Amino acid sequence: DAKTTQPNSMESNEEEPVHLPCNHSTISGTDYIHWYRQLPSQGPEYVIHGLTSNVNNRMASLAIAEDRKSSTLILHRATLRDAAVYYCILKRSNAGGTSYGKLTFGQGTILTVHP
Amino acid sequence: KAGVTQTPRYLIKTRGQQVTLSCSPISGHRSVSWYQQTPGQGLQFLFEYFSETQRNKGNFPGRFSGRQFSNSRSEMNVSTLELGDSALYLCASSFRLAGDTGELFFGEGSRLTVL
Repeated sequence: DAKTTQPNSMESNEEEPVHLPCNHSTISGTDYIHWYRQLPSQGPEYVIHGLTSNVNNRMASLAIAEDRKSSTLILHRATLRDAAVYYCILKRSNAGGTSYGKLTFGQGTILTVHP
Repeated sequence: KAGVTQTPRYLIKTRGQQVTLSCSPISGHRSVSWYQQTPGQGLQFLFEYFSETQRNKGNFPGRFSGRQFSNSRSEMNVSTLELGDSALYLCASSFRLAGDTGELFFGEGSRLTVL
């Protein structure tokens, strides 16, 4: 899987928007951009994913650059419960069954939310 | 809808012993993947099982093994435990449908301490 680069840590204040960047300059045309987060003492949790177009769901928005070499996870109003490690992961779609359940995690971004 | 269930949640073993961890996927999910999480190496993929067959394997020694039963429940086994095997072991399940981008649902993990 192609590599992603994220800042080690970011800080935000409660109820403010948070923009978490991710660089993936070697992304291929069939790579989906997935975001997971891991809250303290829990397993990772799916947040959102996209291919080319911006995506929104109840948790967050994903903005994907036109050349797909970078993306940004947007939390519109951070809460204390959003404090977690956020992972940006590239996953090839329909990989012929050889790497279906495999995610290659980097070190992620530690998000701290201040009250 | 019940989530992914892992047992036991915590366990302590001594070097040289073996351990078996269990994972019950979400009902209807047929793929189970295992991950190891340590402070130094982060989250690393161990293996994936689908339809009782190992589909993919990470870079771990043969002491790490697993299996999947006909009801999709999975177990992983670590033999001849070493101190470095102390980690959080996470299980993730998914539908694993053709063309699906593969959102994974993680359990809370089994924390293994080797003394």
